[in-house]
Amino acid sequence: QQPVQSPQAVILREGEDAVINCSSSKALYSVHWYRQKHGEAPVFLMILLKGGEQKGHEKISASFNEKKQQSSLYLTASQLSYSGTYFCGTEGLSNTGKLIFGQGTTLQVKP
Amino acid sequence: GAGVSQTPSNKVTEKGKYVELRCDPISGHTALYWYRQSLGQGPEFLIYFQGTGAADDSGLPNDRFFAVRPEGSVSTLKIQRTERGDSAVYLCASSLTRDSTDTQYFGPGTRLTVL
Repeated sequence: QQPVQSPQAVILREGEDAVINCSSSKALYSVHWYRQKHGEAPVFLMILLKGGEQKGHEKISASFNEKKQQSSLYLTASQLSYSGTYFCGTEGLSNTGKLIFGQGTTLQVKP
Repeated sequence: GAGVSQTPSNKVTEKGKYVELRCDPISGHTALYWYRQSLGQGPEFLIYFQGTGAADDSGLPNDRFFAVRPEGSVSTLKIQRTERGDSAVYLCASSLTRDSTDTQYFGPGTRLTVL
């Protein structure tokens, strides 16, 4: 079951904050966040695990609500380099490493 | 160190032809994943290997698709009798193990166009 991301697109000015959400209808073991720029490979941002462990970049934060099967990615004081499409990849409780990705959220940061 | 590499970067073929797409994972990574990405969509899981064996091939769309990893390193995705609907970017990713705490690092992808 593909997770649902919201919003689909967002436009910001430099310095503004944004929140991107990822919701699943299935119980999750982990959520992985990636950013992809046009024509490039997805780049790892953050992993959130059932039980609260996190691993990722210092300047990006995220949360994982296990009861609601939702994750949110928080982008603060956005920079031009934050522009791109953000994907969440979810892993089910079988913990196989297989990720199911959402449809993506396109973020555009303007000067 | 070197990242995940994929060859070719672009492949144009005619409907009905056979194609092979190659993935070189990061050295020492035991888990290797293939995804397919259509325009405006997120990556779609196809298959993953732990070592030489296909641990989960549930994402392969039909029996025209097959992947191998004979020595536990390089992997080849093979598509027989290609169809126009197979056109997409095929992404490969590798991780140290299949553990959820290990990051999946993506390659640049192979853009397949079936005419």
